[in-house]
Amino acid sequence: DGGITQSPKYLFRKEGQNVTLSCEQNLNHDAMYWYRQDPGQGLRLIYYSQIVNDFQKGDIAEGYSVSREKKESFPLTVTSAQKNPTAFYLCASSSGRINSPLHFGNGTRLTVT
Amino acid sequence: AQSVTQLGSHVSVSEGALVLLRCNYSSSVPPYLFWYVQYPNQGLQLLLKYTSAATLVKGINGFEAEFKKSETSFHLTKPSAHMSDAAEYFCAVRGGAGGTSYGKLTFGQGTILTVHP
Repeated sequence: DGGITQSPKYLFRKEGQNVTLSCEQNLNHDAMYWYRQDPGQGLRLIYYSQIVNDFQKGDIAEGYSVSREKKESFPLTVTSAQKNPTAFYLCASSSGRINSPLHFGNGTRLTVT
Repeated sequence: AQSVTQLGSHVSVSEGALVLLRCNYSSSVPPYLFWYVQYPNQGLQLLLKYTSAATLVKGINGFEAEFKKSETSFHLTKPSAHMSDAAEYFCAVRGGAGGTSYGKLTFGQGTILTVHP
């Protein structure tokens, strides 16, 4: 079945360490997105990519970095510069057409202590 | 800029009662609107979408939503709540052509629905 795979489901890191969250899709979608979810704040856009080798900052990009070397993959690195990294991270993809919905992965819960 | 406001962070209903989750949007161009549902520790699942074809949109699990341009609203309803409907619901807006937010999906803060037996 086609879908989006995020791994791992749970991730624990020490403060000061960089960590990379994986996101893979086999939907043949052009666009991919990373959102951060905190209780009571909805979803906030970190980065998005509309095509391979191109990506744009979202609303809260500081302390994060991404790459889009392959159509299927859009990894997110949470750097030590991110002040409050503990959160639930959601990856999504879409065909890129304006009326197409986003398809979401099941998320990665990152805890930094 | 576009934005979404969901009125009520928590809504509680009895099983079998009407579900009404409110969503108001702000967009400088005709928007595309979506409702998603999220169960604990999972991703978001699309319930329905409005893309200008019809103002009353039917989705999965018996949910529907009506686009009212005059009220800038896109409220989600279900005639009879089921225990399995307990989840968090998100309204989202994407700006159409001509707007500065073209292609960008903006989410509301979510409404947690509780269903009592």
